[in-house]
Amino acid sequence: GENVEQHPSTLSVQEGDSAVIKCTYSDSASNYFPWYKQELGKRPQLIIDIRSNVGEKKDQRIAVTLNKTAKHFSLHITETQPEDSAVYFCAAGYSSASKIIFGSGTRLSIRP
Amino acid sequence: GAVVSQHPSRVICKSGTSVKIECRSLDFQATTMFWYRQFPKQSLMLMATSNEGSKATYEQGVEKDKFLINHASLTLSTLTVTSAHPEDSSFYICSARGSSLAASPLHFGNGTRLTVT
Repeated sequence: GENVEQHPSTLSVQEGDSAVIKCTYSDSASNYFPWYKQELGKRPQLIIDIRSNVGEKKDQRIAVTLNKTAKHFSLHITETQPEDSAVYFCAAGYSSASKIIFGSGTRLSIRP
Repeated sequence: GAVVSQHPSRVICKSGTSVKIECRSLDFQATTMFWYRQFPKQSLMLMATSNEGSKATYEQGVEKDKFLINHASLTLSTLTVTSAHPEDSSFYICSARGSSLAASPLHFGNGTRLTVT
């Protein structure tokens, strides 16, 4: 089955700087890669997703890149703000309709 | 749209009792729901996939007799933790998708924090 690894486990950046979180997956058949943001005690919220027919997707300060050959995908947050502090999870699946497997999470802290 | 409601949000029960958690899709029909478990400061671990009208598919290592899943209607799936023990204390979260949302992402319920004393 699918295995998703995520790095780093914790990340602290100065407000205004960029943050990058990286994930790898094992199943080459996976074609859907969402990213979720989870605040303490709350549900995961989808922030961006990418499908395997696209190499990069951007939504304001958030971008995701996908390298299917290397089975890597990354989340980039630019101009970080205090409200970006949360735990971020990457995930992989065969499609948005199937089950998705989560990475281990990255706790992002934005220093004022 | 795509609202998923989960109830209760918190429950405390005594060891040996059973607890039922409900997951409802409020504005769409959910043909498939997924149940996850999350320990403190850890990732979401998929427990099972629940399909309306059929038996749930459990992930490896998840005891189907311990975690009973019922998906009797297109808007409701339930997870029953039977004979709960302190090690079952965790955050349980459901997610759902509908037949008309095949190209849409999964949406999660608010989660249920279970504490077994």
